Amino acid sequence: DGGITQSPKYLFRKEGQNVTLSCEQNLNHDAMYWYRQDPGQGLRLIYYSQIVNDFQKGDIAEGYSVSREKKESFPLTVTSAQKNPTAFYLCASSTQTENTEAFFGQGTRLTVV
Amino acid sequence: AQSVTQLGSHVSVSEGALVLLRCNYSSSVPPYLFWYVQYPNQGLQLLLKYTSAATLVKGINGFEAEFKKSETSFHLTKPSAHMSDAAEYFCAVTFNDYKLSFGAGTTVTVRA
Repeated sequence: DGGITQSPKYLFRKEGQNVTLSCEQNLNHDAMYWYRQDPGQGLRLIYYSQIVNDFQKGDIAEGYSVSREKKESFPLTVTSAQKNPTAFYLCASSTQTENTEAFFGQGTRLTVV
Repeated sequence: AQSVTQLGSHVSVSEGALVLLRCNYSSSVPPYLFWYVQYPNQGLQLLLKYTSAATLVKGINGFEAEFKKSETSFHLTKPSAHMSDAAEYFCAVTFNDYKLSFGAGTTVTVRA
């Protein structure tokens, strides 16, 4: 079945450690996105990529890093520089045609203690 | 800048009653509009999207939305709420750059 897979579903890390969240898609989509979700704030864009080996900062990129070495994969690293990393992280992908919707993974809940 | 506003962070309805979720956008050019639903600890699922082919858009699970350019609105409705409609709903907008901007979300609870 085609879709987006995020792993792990739950992740616990100690403060000061970097952590990488996985996102893989087999939809053959060119564009991929990372969003952060906090209660009452909707979804905020962290990074996005429209083509392999290229990506752009979103609205809240500070403290995060990404790579896009393969079309299917767009991992997100939450670095120790991110001041408040505990959140629900959602990965999405889409084609790049007008009026196209984004398809979402099931999310990773990161808790930093 | 493009943005979308959802009026009301929480809506409570009785089972069988009308569900109305409000969404307004700010834009000087016609946007592309979407409604998504999210169940607890899950990703977002597309309910419907505005394609400009018709102002009244029908989606999954009995939901529909009407695009009103004069009011810059894209409100979501369902005539009769079901317990399974309890979830969080997001309105989203995009333009030619394909990036989605989301509203803050509206949580729907359904009373038996």
